[in-house]
Amino acid sequence: DAKTTQPTSMDCAEGRAANLPCNHSTISGNEYVYWYRQIHSQGPQYIIHGLKNNETNEMASLIITEDRKSSTLILPHATLRDTAVYYCIVAPNDYKLSFGAGTTVTVRA
Amino acid sequence: KAGVTQTPRYLIKTRGQQVTLSCSPISGHRSVSWYQQTPGQGLQFLFEYFSETQRNKGNFPGRFSGRQFSNSRSEMNVSTLELGDSALYLCASSWGGSGELFFGEGSRLTVL
Repeated sequence: DAKTTQPTSMDCAEGRAANLPCNHSTISGNEYVYWYRQIHSQGPQYIIHGLKNNETNEMASLIITEDRKSSTLILPHATLRDTAVYYCIVAPNDYKLSFGAGTTVTVRA
Repeated sequence: KAGVTQTPRYLIKTRGQQVTLSCSPISGHRSVSWYQQTPGQGLQFLFEYFSETQRNKGNFPGRFSGRQFSNSRSEMNVSTLELGDSALYLCASSWGGSGELFFGEGSRLTVL
């Protein structure tokens, strides 16, 4: 699976949009970009995934660059409950996901 | 719709013992995968079962094993426990062939 690079941590103000970057320059044509988050002491939670096109759901938006070498997860209106570790993963559309260290996002009031 | 249920949530064992963890997937999901999470190694893939067959296995010793029953429920077993096996063990279910996984709350194992 392709390796991803994410910032170690980032802060965000409550009510503002949080933009989480992810680099995946070695992504293969059949690999999807997945985003998960893990709130302390809980199991990871699926957020969104995409292949080429931008995607949006009730939780977030995923913007994938045209060359697919990077992506951005957007939380439109961050709340304190969005404080978590966010994982960007690239993998074929299957069950074996390789979680890296992720980005620790802290939403501040 | 009930989520993924893992039991027990917490357990303490001593070195050399064995442990069995259970996972009940979301109704209708046929794939169950297991992950180990430790502070040092992060989240690591253990194995995945689909329709009672192990489809893939991570880089863990043979002491780690699992199985899946006809109702899709799964168990994992760790024999001859070592201190380093202390971890949060997470189970995830999916329809099968999808990276959209639904995780349980995990079973936190402490080995003394």
